[in-house]
Amino acid sequence: NAGVTQTPKFRVLKTGQSMTLLCAQDMNHEYMYWYRQDPGMGLRLIHYSVGEGTTAKGEVPDGYNVSRLKKQNFLLGLESAAPSQTSVYFCASSRDRVDGYTFGSGTRLTVV
Amino acid sequence: QQPVQSPQAVILREGEDAVINCSSSKALYSVHWYRQKHGEAPVFLMILLKGGEQKGHDKISASFNEKKQQSSLYLTASQLSYSGTYFCGGGNQFYFGTGTSLTVIP
Repeated sequence: NAGVTQTPKFRVLKTGQSMTLLCAQDMNHEYMYWYRQDPGMGLRLIHYSVGEGTTAKGEVPDGYNVSRLKKQNFLLGLESAAPSQTSVYFCASSRDRVDGYTFGSGTRLTVV
Repeated sequence: QQPVQSPQAVILREGEDAVINCSSSKALYSVHWYRQKHGEAPVFLMILLKGGEQKGHDKISASFNEKKQQSSLYLTASQLSYSGTYFCGGGNQFYFGTGTSLTVIP
């Protein structure tokens, strides 16, 4: 089925460890986004990309890095995980700036 | 920078109507609406474009006042399946609203 796939779905990290979250979409969308969702905080934009090879900072980019080497993939990296990064991470994609977003199923990350 | 939504929470009985409002301090060129059920990803409901064009589906409607930078989502004759948290999003800003929890009870 067409859509946005996130891996992994769950992960527990120790403080200071690193990891990469993978987002893949098969809809040929230009725009891709990473959000984090915390209780009572809604969805906050971490980084986004408007096309292959491009990335830009969102609302809460500190502690994260991203790459978009291929149009269909958008990677989110945590170089040194901190407990404050415990959250549910959602990837989304859209055809353009105006189009509605398709979200992945999310990654629940716990940093201990 | 997040759009502000009101009310924060609402409880309805089946068949009742509800209105959710979204207000932005920044210019909006389009507005998206999403519904998220507990433990799931947000699902796109509708997009409203500058100039009044509306793209969406289902029995839910919305309005967009570009000058006031406000949008409203109208849910009529609510069903149990309407329960969830509703988010508005500024299409050109990529930011989502603060969310409105809607619960429909029998």
